[in-house]
Amino acid sequence: GEEVAQTPKHLVRGEGQKAKLYCAPIKGHSYVFWYQQVLKNEFKFLISFQNENVFDETGMPKERFSAKCLPNSPCSLEIQATKLEDSAVYFCASSQSTGPGQPQHFGDGTRLSIL
Amino acid sequence: GQQVMQIPQYQHVQEGEDFTTYCNSSTTLSNIQWYKQRPGGHPVFLIQLVKSGEVKKQKRLTFQFGEAKKNSSLHITATQTTDVGTYFCAGTRIGSGNTPLVFGKGTRLSVIA
Repeated sequence: GEEVAQTPKHLVRGEGQKAKLYCAPIKGHSYVFWYQQVLKNEFKFLISFQNENVFDETGMPKERFSAKCLPNSPCSLEIQATKLEDSAVYFCASSQSTGPGQPQHFGDGTRLSIL
Repeated sequence: GQQVMQIPQYQHVQEGEDFTTYCNSSTTLSNIQWYKQRPGGHPVFLIQLVKSGEVKKQKRLTFQFGEAKKNSSLHITATQTTDVGTYFCAGTRIGSGNTPLVFGKGTRLSVIA
């Protein structure tokens, strides 16, 4: 598609439950990025993929967060044993490549609320 | 690690007034991007600056990249209510390609009609 599609738009989970978010990048884009935006507007980079391969995971909390981009499937971000502090909007973005001048196209985000 | 500081955090202006947001990096950047996020929306790419001292204009918006490639600014002339939103700069450190993109905390612009 021509837009980054994220599902669901809203997700509510009780503390300790699992949360799984999905992202379909723009067709033809090789790179996918996940960001976490908390209430103060601050964006935190989590992880990026080049096709199905992890490109950079320096921002990824190791213990409870995992992500995948499998062929012919939406990318996913999964949080195990959610905590209150995981409440945030999670944005996915995609780009054609990583060369200069390549903008990242963002989806509408998934608002995750942990109760 | 690399940090990108952005000031001011908030700016309230009367419609017609000018607005500027500033972005400073702790490390030299290979490029800097600017995004606009409307309330409740997602970031939308505005522009990318790559060259030292580069200046680009988009209608009422003027973007500058510092000579040392450590700072950048976005200036809006004669603001309109449609300019409302949060403006983020996002930089890439030299040698890392286009990832990770380190975002500033944004400047939230309010325009009073």
